[in-house]
Amino acid sequence: GAVVSQHPSRVICKSGTSVKIECRSLDFQATTMFWYRQFPKQSLMLMATSNEGSKATYEQGVEKDKFLINHASLTLSTLTVTSAHPEDSSFYICSATRGWQETQYFGPGTRLLVL
Amino acid sequence: QQQVKQSPQSLIVQKGGISIINCAYENTAFDYFPWYQQFPGKGPALLIAIRPDVSEKKEGRFTISFNKSAKQFSLHIMDSQPGDSATYFCAASANTGGFKTIFGAGTRLFVKA
Repeated sequence: GAVVSQHPSRVICKSGTSVKIECRSLDFQATTMFWYRQFPKQSLMLMATSNEGSKATYEQGVEKDKFLINHASLTLSTLTVTSAHPEDSSFYICSATRGWQETQYFGPGTRLLVL
Repeated sequence: QQQVKQSPQSLIVQKGGISIINCAYENTAFDYFPWYQQFPGKGPALLIAIRPDVSEKKEGRFTISFNKSAKQFSLHIMDSQPGDSATYFCAASANTGGFKTIFGAGTRLFVKA
């Protein structure tokens, strides 16, 4: 159990367009979902934490209007990169926790390339 | 104080050898220490985790050693195999409502056949 999926796995878009990434917990209800960004050969950088039905908490330096997070249900969170630019190109990974356990279960990641 | 320092940055081990990755932390509020394994182009996967009330936890070829007084913990991979070649992240979190996890910088392990 504890499977997290992400869609799409890869996306290429033109500069100025918006891209939505979905994160789903397939076999459990996720109390909390996290969104990370990872640059090549670097660690995971937490962007925001979201709980179902409430506003996401963004980390310092992450633009809320740029990276819109919606956590509509206990199994789905979405990250929308608005007006994407080449510098937004990165590997975006979501994770989810089950109940009140600390363990984070990660999705397979989404590779975003903005041309 | 929120950092988790991980070393080495990269590691090359012969097949059958022992891989050792070390992490250190400052925040004594951390009470959960997981290790994650990540293959290129994939999301991290939980490998093994420990709480500070035990000094060692073993699962198959993977062992976590935990030194609470020194605020250090390490991952040992016994009988390392080429399939273990990946990036390993240590992490720490505190039960402060939200379980924000702090990740180490990662160690790129290469096991030579």
